[in-house]
Amino acid sequence: RKEVEQDPGPFNVPEGATVAFNCTYSNSASQSFFWYRQDCRKEPKLLMSVYSSGNEDGRFTAQLNRASQYISLLIRDSKLSDSATYLCAVNRHSGYALNFGKGTSLLVTP
Amino acid sequence: EAGVVQSPRYKIIEKKQPVAFWCNPISGHNTLYWYLQNLGQGPELLIRYENEEAVDDSQLPKDRFSAERLKGVDSTLKIQPAELGDSAVYLCASSLSAGNEQYFGPGTRLTVT
Repeated sequence: RKEVEQDPGPFNVPEGATVAFNCTYSNSASQSFFWYRQDCRKEPKLLMSVYSSGNEDGRFTAQLNRASQYISLLIRDSKLSDSATYLCAVNRHSGYALNFGKGTSLLVTP
Repeated sequence: EAGVVQSPRYKIIEKKQPVAFWCNPISGHNTLYWYLQNLGQGPELLIRYENEEAVDDSQLPKDRFSAERLKGVDSTLKIQPAELGDSAVYLCASSLSAGNEQYFGPGTRLTVT
């Protein structure tokens, strides 16, 4: 089992829709969780950290479920510009570097 | 504030040739990471530095890859000799300290022919 797993998608949604991605992790001792956004042929850009209490930034909401070992990202009122690959990242069991999932591809259509 | 700087952005070399990548982290960031990203995959850690010390290099193929961060700021990653399978994007990231959010540079896209 890979340490961090994501549904690769693609998720095709119309503008204005709400879409949610999940990411599961295998190491129950993981402490840090992040969502990154990556556009085609660009570097990953930090979207948001995921805290135990969950956090919200505008249209984006991230949640952590330690019991089931997954994190989620909810995007409300999708925009065309939200089209990208969303990578989840979890700190490695051996320290502070991150294990990344393969990413979930989102395409928002007019 | 300037982000993570990497050069070159693109590199095409023939197999068995050496190649080097350079990274300048965000000012004040003590932790520096080198990742490798293949198409359709997430970044995979090669090495992590705390200041000038390599503290996690278990994923670095040491027979052909080497890295240094001599003064605890800039870093260089080298491959010698390159193989066809090394074609990938090499990403550098930095964070204020271990455990904090990581910020990525634009990467170096390596093609080995």
